[in-house]
Amino acid sequence: GAGVSQSPRYKVAKRGQDVALRCDPISGHVSLFWYQQALGQGPEFLTYFQNEAQLDKSGLPSDRFFAERPEGSVSTLKIQRTQQEDSAVYLCASSLVSQATYSSGNTIYFGEGSWLTVV
Amino acid sequence: AQKITQTQPGMFVQEKEAVTLDCTYDTSDQSYGLFWYKQPSSGEMIFLIYQGSYDEQNATEGRYSLNFQKARKSANLVISASQLGDSAMYFCAMREPTGANNLFFGTGTRLTVIP
Repeated sequence: GAGVSQSPRYKVAKRGQDVALRCDPISGHVSLFWYQQALGQGPEFLTYFQNEAQLDKSGLPSDRFFAERPEGSVSTLKIQRTQQEDSAVYLCASSLVSQATYSSGNTIYFGEGSWLTVV
Repeated sequence: AQKITQTQPGMFVQEKEAVTLDCTYDTSDQSYGLFWYKQPSSGEMIFLIYQGSYDEQNATEGRYSLNFQKARKSANLVISASQLGDSAMYFCAMREPTGANNLFFGTGTRLTVIP
């Protein structure tokens, strides 16, 4: 597709349930990012992939959060044993290049997000 | 310390008028990129404009322009001829060459365009 695609758009999970959020980045994009956005806040970095390699997972809030990108394209963010504080919008983003070269080609494009509510 | 500071939680502008959304940043790197994104109620982060730290001219994209003042570490977004569809959250963000090259976001400014 033309843009970053995320599914599901909306997910209501019972506390303790596992959830999986999918991201389909723009075709050919090397870099893939996951962000968490709490209500009324800016997005916060969770993790970063360069192709299939997870190069940075420093933003993952706990070991209940796990992300993968096995073939260097589609990525899945998995949250185990969900808690109420996990309720947020989870944004996936991709960019064409792997390094922070300073040109407009380095732009990071976002999907519409997966809205997770834990009840 | 906050890398990106947006001091205006909310702004109002009359339709067809111009508005400036403030953004200051903090970095010790010489090379970095500055971005503005628009987030309507649907949730998608829409890329608006980019400014590289070595770009000598201010970036422009249609009705959007970025007032880049490097010495003051500010990167204000100017929207000219505001339209009702411009009502949304606006986020300033910075990308540095170290680490994961990810974006650091401010807390955003909610812009409301008044008819």
